[in-house]
Amino acid sequence: GENVEQHPSTLSVQEGDSAVIKCTYSDSASNYFPWYKQELGKRPQLIIDIRSNVGEKKDQRIAVTLNKTAKHFSLHITETQPEDSAVYFCAASPGNQFYFGTGTSLTVIP
Amino acid sequence: DAGITQSPRHKVTETGTPVTLRCHQTENHRYMYWYRQDPGHGLRLIHYSYGVKDTDKGEVSDGYSVSRSKTEDFLLTLESATSSQTSVYFCAISESKGAETQYFGPGTRLLVL
Repeated sequence: GENVEQHPSTLSVQEGDSAVIKCTYSDSASNYFPWYKQELGKRPQLIIDIRSNVGEKKDQRIAVTLNKTAKHFSLHITETQPEDSAVYFCAASPGNQFYFGTGTSLTVIP
Repeated sequence: DAGITQSPRHKVTETGTPVTLRCHQTENHRYMYWYRQDPGHGLRLIHYSYGVKDTDKGEVSDGYSVSRSKTEDFLLTLESATSSQTSVYFCAISESKGAETQYFGPGTRLLVL
């Protein structure tokens, strides 16, 4: 099955700086790559996604890039704010199932 | 949040007892999923359903069974709970397979003593 690896596991940045989280996947059949944000004690919530026919997608301060050849995709958060502090999960889907990374705990220091 | 509820939200049980968790949706989505979330492992798929009475195993299905008799309900059963099944369980739904957004329920925190 698919194997998704996510790095780093923890990340601390100063408010206003950028944060980058990277994921790799193994199954070339994966064609959908969502990113979820999970605040403490809450459910994961989708923040952005990208499909395999697109190389980059942006939504305000959040962007995702996809390199199908290298099988990796990244989440970029610019101008970070304290409310961006959370755990972020990447995922890959080759069909019926979703495979998740192990998460990145992002702390934005005011 | 999408119309997904889970019950119970918290449960404490003893090893060897059966436990059933319920996921209920009001979105009429075809696909429903059960995940467990553990520190260091992210979210791992237990079972999923692609229609009434149609289910399949995920990567960590041992010790779990599921049933879906109605579009809106997806039940997860631990036939004989073990301490290794202590976890937070999330239900999720999506309109179709693969490249479609999954929406998660609020989660059930299960402690097996």
